[in-house]
Amino acid sequence: GAGVSQSPRYKVAKRGQDVALRCDPISGHVSLFWYQQALGQGPEFLTYFQNEAQLDKSGLPSDRFFAERPEGSVSTLKIQRTQQEDSAVYLCASSLSGSSGTEAFFGQGTRLTVV
Amino acid sequence: GENVEQHPSTLSVQEGDSAVIKCTYSDSASNYFPWYKQELGKRPQLIIDIRSNVGEKKDQRIAVTLNKTAKHFSLHITETQPEDSAVYFCAASQQGGGNKLTFGTGTQLKVEL
Repeated sequence: GAGVSQSPRYKVAKRGQDVALRCDPISGHVSLFWYQQALGQGPEFLTYFQNEAQLDKSGLPSDRFFAERPEGSVSTLKIQRTQQEDSAVYLCASSLSGSSGTEAFFGQGTRLTVV
Repeated sequence: GENVEQHPSTLSVQEGDSAVIKCTYSDSASNYFPWYKQELGKRPQLIIDIRSNVGEKKDQRIAVTLNKTAKHFSLHITETQPEDSAVYFCAASQQGGGNKLTFGTGTQLKVEL
């Protein structure tokens, strides 16, 4: 596609439910990032993939959060046993390489609301 | 890790005036500083960026300045227009970090007619 695509756009989950968020990066982009954006805040880094390798997961807030990119293209962010504090917009971004200064292109995000 | 602070949190200007948003960063290893514009409910979009080997960069009505010694960088928008109204985020990244970005908390810019 022309840009980074995320699905679903909106997700309402009951507390304790598991959710899976999908990201389709720009074709050929090596690097993929997940960010969490709370209301009125800037995006916060969660995890980074270079191809299929997860090179940095230092931003994942707990072991309930898990991300994968098995074939180096589509990525899934999974949140187990969702809690209210997980409510946020989850943004995916991709870039052509992992070199500093390479533009990151963002998807429109998935707005997760945990009730 | 890197910490980016951004001011002001809200900024209201009259159409045609200039707007300035300032950011500071903590890690001297940071070498790439992009600015993103995010309209309500939409994705962040890159509007301009600067690398640490450059002190200033301009693109039409938008300019960014970088002071490495003081570890601060600023976004300047001249001749503001209503369509400039949005939230602006500064960010910083460093070599070797996979280009992961540390963002500021955002500035809500409102351009009034």
